[in-house]
Amino acid sequence: GENVEQHPSTLSVQEGDSAVIKCTYSDSASNYFPWYKQELGKRPQLIIDIRSNVGEKKDQRIAVTLNKTAKHFSLHITETQPEDSAVYFCAASPDNTGKLIFGQGTTLQVKP
Amino acid sequence: DAGVIQSPRHEVTEMGQEVTLRCKPISGHNSLFWYRQTMMRGLELLIYFNNNVPIDDSGMPEDRFSAKMPNASFSTLKIQPSEPRDSAVYFCASSLQVGEQYFGPGTRLTVT
Repeated sequence: GENVEQHPSTLSVQEGDSAVIKCTYSDSASNYFPWYKQELGKRPQLIIDIRSNVGEKKDQRIAVTLNKTAKHFSLHITETQPEDSAVYFCAASPDNTGKLIFGQGTTLQVKP
Repeated sequence: DAGVIQSPRHEVTEMGQEVTLRCKPISGHNSLFWYRQTMMRGLELLIYFNNNVPIDDSGMPEDRFSAKMPNASFSTLKIQPSEPRDSAVYFCASSLQVGEQYFGPGTRLTVT
């Protein structure tokens, strides 16, 4: 079955710097790749997603890139702010049922 | 829309007791997912339903866990008997086809 690996597990940056989180997946049939942000004690919430027919997608300060050949995708956050501090999860959908397989999460700390 | 509703929000029980977690998905969504989140194992998919039918329960840890979805607006996850290692946050999520999953607020379960 699908396996998603996420790196790094923790990331600390200064406010205003960029942050990059990377994920790899194993199932070449996966076609949907969302990113979720989870603040402490809260539920995961979708921040951006990308489908396999697109190589890059951007929404204000966040962007996601997808390399289907290498089976990896990345989240890029520019001009980080303290409120970006949270745990970020990548996920992959290996079929058309909506099932998601999540990475282990990255704890991002943005220092003011 | 009220979003995904879960109850109870917190549950403390003694080892050996039966625990029932409840979820009401977003109206109109046809897929429902149950997840378990722990520090050690991250966010694990336990089971998911499509149009009220269980599609994949391979994530259910053992026979002590069972889930039902008697209609489109209600699902339960039952643990009987509960054990301390079941302590975790249990999330329910719903979606419409392959796309964004909306998570409920979660149930924090503590088994002593």
